[in-house]
Amino acid sequence: GAVVSQHPSWVICKSGTSVKIECRSLDFQATTMFWYRQFPKQSLMLMATSNEGSKATYEQGVEKDKFLINHASLTLSTLTVTSAHPEDSSFYICSARGGGGPREAFFGQGTRLTVV
Amino acid sequence: AQTVTQSQPEMSVQEAETVTLSCTYDTSESDYYLFWYKQPPSRQMILVIRQEAYKQQNATENRFSVNFQKAAKSFSLKISDSQLGDAAMYFCAHYGGATNKLIFGTGTLLAVQP
Repeated sequence: GAVVSQHPSWVICKSGTSVKIECRSLDFQATTMFWYRQFPKQSLMLMATSNEGSKATYEQGVEKDKFLINHASLTLSTLTVTSAHPEDSSFYICSARGGGGPREAFFGQGTRLTVV
Repeated sequence: AQTVTQSQPEMSVQEAETVTLSCTYDTSESDYYLFWYKQPPSRQMILVIRQEAYKQQNATENRFSVNFQKAAKSFSLKISDSQLGDAAMYFCAHYGGATNKLIFGTGTLLAVQP
């Protein structure tokens, strides 16, 4: 299957700082990227959906000013957690999908964010 | 809005036996796709199988097959000849073409007993 690279795989930051997570599709054009948050032993909660060149669509309850998503090219999307707090600590996963048809979404390796 | 429900938080199967994981969904979309993903302890999401809603034939991938009942909005996964490597969390997912969202169920943790 196609490869999606997510970086970093883990990060520790101080409370009040911002953290950027990158998601790259290495061998296909990702017209849509999804960002998820996953708590331990729980499901993937969709945070937002982004299409290349457009503003992201955020799910209800997700603060768009806190979780900034940029999808500037067909191979790169970024999630910036601004003014991070300990409650933002979680596992974040990106997923990329090519356009049209029943194409499945491919997933990055995930990022473990710890805010201290 | 679309929702995906997995009613079995945990399942267990003996090696070489068959197990079925349940999934039901609700959707207002006519153009949608259903997936089963596997998440091992590494947490890397791996596609197991997919089903186009417009297709009546159930999808199969080697030891994995689905029972897609469109009217009942049911999409169960059958794993035959279970192997130790099948132990993982399994998520059912729905993608809607109109909403462009990929939504996951709560997951089923599958244990495989040797």
